[in-house]
Amino acid sequence: DAGVTQSPTHLIKTRGQHVTLRCSPISGHKSVSWYQQVLGQGPQFIFQYYEKEERGRGNFPDRFSARQFPNYSSELNVNALLLGDSALYLCASSFFPSSGGSTDTQYFGPGTRLTVL
Amino acid sequence: KNQVEQSPQSLIILEGKNCTLQCNYTVSPFSNLRWYKQDTGRGPVSLTIMTFSENTKSNGRYTATLDADTKQSSLHITASQLSDSASYICVVSAAPGTYKYIFGTGTRLEVLA
Repeated sequence: DAGVTQSPTHLIKTRGQHVTLRCSPISGHKSVSWYQQVLGQGPQFIFQYYEKEERGRGNFPDRFSARQFPNYSSELNVNALLLGDSALYLCASSFFPSSGGSTDTQYFGPGTRLTVL
Repeated sequence: KNQVEQSPQSLIILEGKNCTLQCNYTVSPFSNLRWYKQDTGRGPVSLTIMTFSENTKSNGRYTATLDADTKQSSLHITASQLSDSASYICVVSAAPGTYKYIFGTGTRLEVLA
């Protein structure tokens, strides 16, 4: 079975541009979470979606938005890019929404490396 | 403030040696703690998940311990291999009803031949 897939693998944008990152979860998984990982730091939670509904949001500005499609794939959109948005963007999938009480394993994709110039 | 702190920041050991990585957290109320292995430029891979009632959990040469009273966890790696070179990240989840995981900044382990 294929794992979590993300596209593109690498992306270079300039300040002020818009970017869309894509994620396909493991087959059968209904929950997708997005994380931002700046070089040398741990991942920071951005969004979680379950059954096409937003279930959680981290401390990110409104320039960040996401959605989940009927096939459970997801897109992360970032508007008005800033230099500080340069990071590895990780997508993780799980069968159930990964609430604090869940021990359901999250499976991470390889990430999309975004560079903003 | 909910925080997860890991030590050391980086570690270099020789192949075949054992090592222990530390994780201290201030997340409350606590629900579960996870250890992940992250190779450079790759997504994290789950090693162990422990709830507050579990003291230890093993996954091959990896053994995690948890002391919920002192809010400390450790990851012990036995008989290290070159492929163990990676970042090891401690992640703590708050009580049910929240959807946020608090990640530590990781320990960078390098195993030398």
